[in-house]
Amino acid sequence: NAGVTQTPKFRVLKTGQSMTLLCAQDMNHEYMYWYRQDPGMGLRLIHYSVGEGTTAKGEVPDGYNVSRLKKQNFLLGLESAAPSQTSVYFCASSFHRDSNQPQHFGDGTRLSIL
Amino acid sequence: TQLLEQSPQFLSIQEGENLTVYCNSSSVFSSLQWYRQEPGEGPVLLVTVVTGGEVKKLKRLTFQFGDARKDSSLHITAAQPGDTGLYLCAGAIRAAGNKLTFGGGTRVLVKP
Repeated sequence: NAGVTQTPKFRVLKTGQSMTLLCAQDMNHEYMYWYRQDPGMGLRLIHYSVGEGTTAKGEVPDGYNVSRLKKQNFLLGLESAAPSQTSVYFCASSFHRDSNQPQHFGDGTRLSIL
Repeated sequence: TQLLEQSPQFLSIQEGENLTVYCNSSSVFSSLQWYRQEPGEGPVLLVTVVTGGEVKKLKRLTFQFGDARKDSSLHITAAQPGDTGLYLCAGAIRAAGNKLTFGGGTRVLVKP
């Protein structure tokens, strides 16, 4: 069972470069999320999606864009990377927005911006 | 200032000792989840508590939701090295669409 798969696992960028992080889930989940994790800060929500073709801003959306063209995929884009975006990025999905539903996480993408 | 404050931030204990991790907020949550995260992996759900005063047990782990649904605790009895990891609490607020807000995490190290 693949669950939530994130690619790439590691990436180093130079300031000003762009890139796209891919998240794919095979659980037919409606909801998908992108978080960033920084030391001592826990996980902070960047953007999320409540279904195919929809996206919404989370707590820290500036500098990021997302797209959900297919139900199983959720893409996170950095148009012009900045050193402050150095972080570990996690994608998650859930079946429903019911607060009892668990979120299933990928193993993360470690991104360094030089 | 984080909506959910976890304490302590780091805990180092010997195998066999007990430990408690706290998760506090001034906000009322519709539910609260606890996750454990190991190095190089994503968080994995341990438990969800939804009722004020609720207590749930998962082997040697005991989770409690405060009566007012503003706080929670995780108690581990007779900790083992396999309990080492980052413990995260996450609260959902119904008025905010039940999106999860995570605490800063407690890093637990259990030494053999």
